Amino acid sequence: DAGITQSPRYKITETGRQVTLMCHQTWSHSYMFWYRQDLGHGLRLIYYSAAADITDKGEVSDGYVVSRSKTENFPLTLESATRSQTSVYFCASSTAGTGGNEQFFGPGTRLTVL
Amino acid sequence: GQSLEQPSEVTAVEGAIVQINCTYQTSGFYGLSWYQQHDGGAPTFLSYNALDGLEETGRFSSFLSRSDSYGYLLLQELQMKDSASYFCAVRDAGGFKTIFGAGTRLFVKA
Repeated sequence: DAGITQSPRYKITETGRQVTLMCHQTWSHSYMFWYRQDLGHGLRLIYYSAAADITDKGEVSDGYVVSRSKTENFPLTLESATRSQTSVYFCASSTAGTGGNEQFFGPGTRLTVL
Repeated sequence: GQSLEQPSEVTAVEGAIVQINCTYQTSGFYGLSWYQQHDGGAPTFLSYNALDGLEETGRFSSFLSRSDSYGYLLLQELQMKDSASYFCAVRDAGGFKTIFGAGTRLFVKA
């Protein structure tokens, strides 16, 4: 189906392990984003990407790594998971240009770090 | 730095009108957006204001005053399904780095 998907939807891991969250979109949107959502903080931008091989840091990028070798995929890796990274992670995409700022969000990945 | 302020909770009665305010402080500004999020769901886009004034989309309207660094979302003819969290968000002048407010939880009562 067309749209934006994330996998896994739920993940439990242990402190110190590497975890990769996947994001795939079928619209060929240029821009993709990773956010984390914690109670009381709304959505905080981790990384964003303007196109394949172009990425930039957001507000809370420490401890995270991204790559974008293909337009449709934007994986997020936690290099060494910490308990503070327990959160709900949302991937989003949007078109380039100066039009409306609509971002399309994936269903989210709920990550628990024990 | 950049910050957005919005009330944490608002309660209203079904059929009523409610306004959710958002004030922002940003180093640059490109536009103000509003998103809705139901519990357990993903945020969905509601509206976007790049220029001063009112934008209307069905029961929802959004207003922006750039000189006051202020905007609001107006929900009319409230329905129970409007119970959700509402987030304002701003794009910085660079274009695509987006900062979200902490969200306003709207409770609609019968």
